[in-house]
Amino acid sequence: QVTLKESGPGILQPSHTLSLTCSFSGFSLSTYGMGVSWIRQPSGKGLEWLASIWWNGNTYNNPSLKSRLTVSKDTSNNQAFLKVTSVDTADTATYYCAHSQYPQGFDYWGQGVMVTVSS
Amino acid sequence: DTVLTQSPALAVSPGERVTISCRASESVSTLMHWYQQKPGQQPTLLIYLASNLESGVPARFSGSGSGTDFTLTIDPVEADDTATYYCQQSWNDPNTFGAGTKLELK
Repeated sequence: QVTLKESGPGILQPSHTLSLTCSFSGFSLSTYGMGVSWIRQPSGKGLEWLASIWWNGNTYNNPSLKSRLTVSKDTSNNQAFLKVTSVDTADTATYYCAHSQYPQGFDYWGQGVMVTVSS
Repeated sequence: DTVLTQSPALAVSPGERVTISCRASESVSTLMHWYQQKPGQQPTLLIYLASNLESGVPARFSGSGSGTDFTLTIDPVEADDTATYYCQQSWNDPNTFGAGTKLELK
């Protein structure tokens, strides 16, 4: 059974760096075809794909966030990470991590973690 | 970026057939996926690769299309299907989602 759970700071100040952790079970990020992606959703709005990391270490970021995103993984501990630098109020959202098996969709999602950027 | 265009909202009666459309600004082959999201919950995958029913999803849901035009069909609609439905493409970088179609039951 695949499960994912996001964790993060809850609230942080503008210009700071957001660090999120996705802890998962039921699959390994070293297994061929497996990936973990980050998706966010501002309250009352739609979904925005942020980044993905794959079993082979390849990473893909949404260029709309320019170079502010870094995605990484710790295969031994079944975790994936997302860092977002220089946050501002526009980064306030619920952040989800999700599993996918290439080239299929996001078949398992975490419950999401709400992040508020406020001074 | 590939823009996915969905109708904002639909209202149907239980028992009816509803089609939700998603039009891509450029071809996405068949790498189109559909999600259901209920208020306060995370999205759930309904259809992957345009027409494949995700395990555990009722057969009332089906998907079709390729290239730029895709459709999610629910037949028959049930009261529990009240939700927002999103399409998502993974053929072109970056992955993109449609803005969502809010389905309401009359």
